[in-house]
Amino acid sequence: DIQMTQSPSTLSASVGDRVTIACRASQGISRWLAWYQQKPGKAPKLLIYKASSLESGVPSRFSGSGSGTEFTLTISSLQPDDFATYYCQQYNGYSPWTFGQGTKVEIK
Amino acid sequence: EVQLVQSGAEVKKPGESLKISCKGSGYSFTDYWIGWVRQMPGKGLQWLGIVSPANSNIRYSPSFQGQVTISADKSISNAYLQWSSLKASDTAMYYCATVDDSGYSYGGFPIGAFGTWGQGTMVTVSS
Repeated sequence: DIQMTQSPSTLSASVGDRVTIACRASQGISRWLAWYQQKPGKAPKLLIYKASSLESGVPSRFSGSGSGTEFTLTISSLQPDDFATYYCQQYNGYSPWTFGQGTKVEIK
Repeated sequence: EVQLVQSGAEVKKPGESLKISCKGSGYSFTDYWIGWVRQMPGKGLQWLGIVSPANSNIRYSPSFQGQVTISADKSISNAYLQWSSLKASDTAMYYCATVDDSGYSYGGFPIGAFGTWGQGTMVTVSS
């Protein structure tokens, strides 16, 4: 299986900060990568698909980049509603789909 | 509006069987594959598998094949996840989600992110 490794595991930041979360795949996955946001007690929510495509309705302060094995999720200006846990997921065709272990964004 | 509504929380004993459901509405149920995701208490997300409501084709994660059964009934717009003999380690929140249509597939299976999620079904297995 393809392993997805996110860094950092926890991130402390303030409102207005620019935040970057990294996700590394153990094998190349082209651009078949999604990012999800999950708040406590809620289902995950799709933010980004195909590495850099913004899901409809998601604020433009969220952006994704990367291809192959290295990917990033960037929040350009952190808002109070953005404190949550973020997961990357690879969904390429030749390997079981897998998620990263998650990155918790906390208030500094 | 595309919506998935899951069945309610369950409390079961080890060895018991269980079938939980996920009902789609607001769209043609056969248009999107449905996936299942597990989240154990305080842990991350794990992919169990996907099912096509159109023809009931299924792709399991090798880690869960033989441990769960995934199915769908297009006549009533429901997808299912079931266990024949629950274990304490099956205690988790289970989510269903639609697989977005990326326009690509591999080996007859879709390649797509999980676009719309159900609210989750908590399964607790305890003696």
